[in-house]
Amino acid sequence: EAQVTQNPRYLITVTGKKLTVTCSQNMNHEYMSWYRQDPGLGLRQIYYSMNVEVTDKGDVPEGYKVSRKEKRNFPLILESPSPNQTSLYFCASRTGSDTQYFGPGTRLTVL
Amino acid sequence: AQTVTQSQPEMSVQEAETVTLSCTYDTSENNYYLFWYKQPPSRQMILVIRQEAYKQQNATENRFSVNFQKAAKSFSLKISDSQLGDTAMYFCAFMKHRGGSEKLVFGKGTKLTVNP
Repeated sequence: EAQVTQNPRYLITVTGKKLTVTCSQNMNHEYMSWYRQDPGLGLRQIYYSMNVEVTDKGDVPEGYKVSRKEKRNFPLILESPSPNQTSLYFCASRTGSDTQYFGPGTRLTVL
Repeated sequence: AQTVTQSQPEMSVQEAETVTLSCTYDTSENNYYLFWYKQPPSRQMILVIRQEAYKQQNATENRFSVNFQKAAKSFSLKISDSQLGDTAMYFCAFMKHRGGSEKLVFGKGTKLTVNP
């Protein structure tokens, strides 16, 4: 089954404790991205990757890092999480026809 | 920069009736894609329908159809024969056609409730 998976689905952590949210897709998509969703703000892009070893900032990259060492994986790294990073996070990957498919989301709470 | 506006924060409709969700966008691009995504209480983002700007014909997917007015920069979603399972947040989104970052620019969403 074609899908985008994220782990963990739910995470509660404390300020400053490094964490990684994994994202994996099995569709051989070149383009992957991370979004965060906040009430009243819709979804905003954090980072994206056009291919292996090619990443770039989106609209709200501060406090986040990413890497793309393999085509299927695109982890999101929070080196020192803060409460303003409490949000719902989505990973997405794109087909050649430009339709993006989303993972199930990761609910992150930073205390 | 592109912007997407959904002017209806909330809407409701009776089961089996038809409802139209509004979306307008602002862009100077000529080639782009438009999407409607559904987000049910499970929070999963589900693609409902997509439209290529170069196509004049409005996209249709079963009970879902769009009214794409390129000159007016309008992209409304019509849901026919509404079902209880259509209750969700609906997001309109815009994406340039392979022009750069290719991100989706989202509206703030419309919360649709289908009443029995």
